[in-house]
Amino acid sequence: AAGVIQSPRHLIKEKRETATLKCYPIPRHDTVYWYQQGPGQDPQFLISFYEKMQSDKGSIPDRFSAQQFSDYHSELNMSSLELGDSALYFCASRRLAGAKETQYFGPGTRLLVL
Amino acid sequence: DAKTTQPTSMDCAEGRAANLPCNHSTISGNEYVYWYRQIHSQGPQYIIHGLKNNETNEMASLIITEDRKSSTLILPHATLRDTAVYYCIVRASMDTGRRALTFGSGTRLQVQP
Repeated sequence: AAGVIQSPRHLIKEKRETATLKCYPIPRHDTVYWYQQGPGQDPQFLISFYEKMQSDKGSIPDRFSAQQFSDYHSELNMSSLELGDSALYFCASRRLAGAKETQYFGPGTRLLVL
Repeated sequence: DAKTTQPTSMDCAEGRAANLPCNHSTISGNEYVYWYRQIHSQGPQYIIHGLKNNETNEMASLIITEDRKSSTLILPHATLRDTAVYYCIVRASMDTGRRALTFGSGTRLQVQP
């Protein structure tokens, strides 16, 4: 079965650079979530989109922005990167209508800021 | 969402049942109990959820006490691949909204050979 695809899987950036993470949800899934997981921490919700509109916002820094495109893929844009942004970034997707609660998570993007 | 309390860590022998407890004494009537797990550095994986009746699927069983203030996730025959952090999350059904998951500290289950 198709899963959530994230790219790149690994990314190394310098401080103050920008990064773009991409997420391709499972086909026919209409909701995308972004989570950040720092070293030794639990996943923390950043932002979500439903039908290409932002639906909820968590602890996302102002330096980060995200959007969902017409093909439902989503991109997380991160600017002015800081050392503390080094983390695993997970994308999850689900289909709202008629589905039991199941968010499917991607394999994550490991971002290292030097 | 109601607060949950889980042990920090547990060990289990391979082939034995793993019983992971979760306390959620402030759970309200419309809140479900969900379980996810995260194998090292992989994306979290949905296991099971329930409201008040016990539930079973191909991965696990969920036992919810009659007063709903606690629950137990049971992995009937733990394998080494079940070593992971297990998260108990209490929340209203996602069918009524699109809110994200709130992960607590979870239980780190180590399955021993």
